[in-house]
Amino acid sequence: TQLLEQSPQFLSIQEGENLTVYCNSSSVFSSLQWYRQEPGEGPVLLVTVVTGGEVKKLKRLTFQFGDARKDSSLHITAAQPGDTGLYLCAVNFGNEKLTFGTGTRLTIIP
Amino acid sequence: NAGVTQTPKFQVLKTGQSMTLQCAQDMNHEYMSWYRQDPGMGLRLIHYSVGAGITDQGEVPNGYNVSRSTTEDFPLRLLSAAPSQTSVYFCASRQTENTEAFFGQGTRLTVV
Repeated sequence: TQLLEQSPQFLSIQEGENLTVYCNSSSVFSSLQWYRQEPGEGPVLLVTVVTGGEVKKLKRLTFQFGDARKDSSLHITAAQPGDTGLYLCAVNFGNEKLTFGTGTRLTIIP
Repeated sequence: NAGVTQTPKFQVLKTGQSMTLQCAQDMNHEYMSWYRQDPGMGLRLIHYSVGAGITDQGEVPNGYNVSRSTTEDFPLRLLSAAPSQTSVYFCASRQTENTEAFFGQGTRLTVV
């Protein structure tokens, strides 16, 4: 079974602080997606990274795809209450299935 | 553009009852999937389909059946509901293996 581990599982920080969450796999994958899920809703795509070492920025969010193509990180600068949610990474291991990570539940305290 | 539509949004079943969760998409996507999400956890894949007439099992298929007679619809059937199937169920669709997955709003199922 191919697993995606995310860390930390829970994170609660003050508004204005910076944070990084991680997604790790024991298997190499060709691309990775990050989603955010808000309460009562389905996940919504934030970004797709496809090249080892790639860095993508989405306003205050910075996504990095590891050189070995087995890990990724999401860094948020100056966190805001609107960033609160469940952050999920998702990978296709080349078997038609989209596998999701265990998730990081982020709470930003005003 | 409706995207992915799931019905019902809420359901309470008694142990042993059967029911069907409906999922429809209007984006002409080939790939459709069913996931369950339990408290504090990510999404676990139940069943998926890569096109009409083709279905396969995910991580947690036991107790569930699916069929894909059309591109648009992908219903999930619970054969004999058990309390362990209490969860939030999400249907998703995507055009290809590596493109964005679009999700429905979920069905919150409670089995008593």
